[in-house]
Order: sequence, then structure tokens, then C-alpha cells
Amino acid sequence: GENVEQHPSTLSVQEGDSAVIKCTYSDSASNYFPWYKQELGKRPQLIIDIRSNVGEKKDQRIAVTLNKTAKHFSLHITETQPEDSAVYFCAASVGSTLGRLYFGRGTQLTVWP
Amino acid sequence: NAGVTQTPKFQVLKTGQSMTLQCAQDMNHNSMYWYRQDPGMGLRLIYYSASEGTTDKGEVPNGYNVSRLNKREFSLRLESAAPSQTSVYFCASSASSGGANGELFFGEGSRLTVL
Repeated sequence: GENVEQHPSTLSVQEGDSAVIKCTYSDSASNYFPWYKQELGKRPQLIIDIRSNVGEKKDQRIAVTLNKTAKHFSLHITETQPEDSAVYFCAASVGSTLGRLYFGRGTQLTVWP
Repeated sequence: NAGVTQTPKFQVLKTGQSMTLQCAQDMNHNSMYWYRQDPGMGLRLIYYSASEGTTDKGEVPNGYNVSRLNKREFSLRLESAAPSQTSVYFCASSASSGGANGELFFGEGSRLTVL
């Protein structure tokens, strides 16, 4: 099956700085790459996603880039705020059932005021 | 509009006991999923139901069974609980198995401890 690796496992930044989280995947047939944010004790929530036919997608302060050749994708958060502190998970899906996801192990992002 | 509701929120079992986790969604979604979350492991798919009447194994199906009771409800059963099944279980749903929107909507989670 698919294998998704995520780095770093922890990331600390100063408020206002940028944060970048990187993921690689193994199955070249993967076609959907979402990112989920999970606050402590809460459920995961989708923050942004990208399809395999798109190289970059932005939504206000967050962006995702995809390099299909290298099989990696990244989450970029600009102008970080303390409320961005959470665990972020990347994921990949193969085939038509988009919710059938393979998740990375997560990145604990801490934004210091 | 409650979204995805799962019960119970907490459960303690002894090894060998059985239990069923219940999940219901009121968003008229076709697809439903059960994931487990363990520290440092991310989320792993146990079983899913792409549409009413179908179920399929995910990444870690051993020791579990599922039932898609109707379009709204998808239950997860542990027939003989083992300590390795201690985890937080999340039910999720999505609008369709394919198509334009793959967003998963998660329930609040069920924390299960097997002694």
C-alpha cells in the first residue's frame, strides 16, 4: 500500500514567521493530497487539499505545493499566529475513494507569541 | 445539524470482552470510515463503506468488523478486545467516494482502553 512520510515531527516558530511541513509518498498513482489540522483533544479538520493535476493551491495564509515527479508535497503557513499551534497531518489517497487516506505521522507546530 | 456523532466517547474493556462503537451522520453522505489514532502514528484506516451496502478493509482491519446499517449509520465491532486495540477511534464521512469533494468530516472520537 501507500506509504506517507512527514517531516519534521515537531516545529517551533515565532509568531509572524513562516512554517513549512513536508511529506513524501510512495505510490505514483496517488491522486489526492489533503492536509488536516488537529487541535489538542479535538477532531481533525481539513484545512486545504490538492489534486494531482494541480501544482499549487493557496487559501489566505496557507498554501500547498505538489511535485509529482519527486512524489512530495508541502504545506506552507505564512504570518503564523498562536492559534495555528496544532498537530498537522498530511495524507494521500489512491483511486476513486478519496476518503480512503494514508496519513503521515503528524507535525506538532508550536507558534510562540 | 449535528454532523458526525459517535458513541460512546469513553470505554474501558477487559481483554476478551466485546463492544460496538456506533456512528451516525446527518449530512446525507454516501461514504463512511473508521480510523484509529495512536500516539505518533497518525490515523490509520480500519474499514470503510464507499456507499450503502458495501464495506471494505482498510490498512488495519484485523480484530474488527463493521456494519453499514443504512445510509446514516456505520458501526465498528470488536469481538474479542485486545490491549493492542487501545486507541482513539474516529468515525468520518464524506460526500462521495469520488467526485470533486473528498473532505472527511470526523466525529469527536471514542477513547477505548483495553486492560
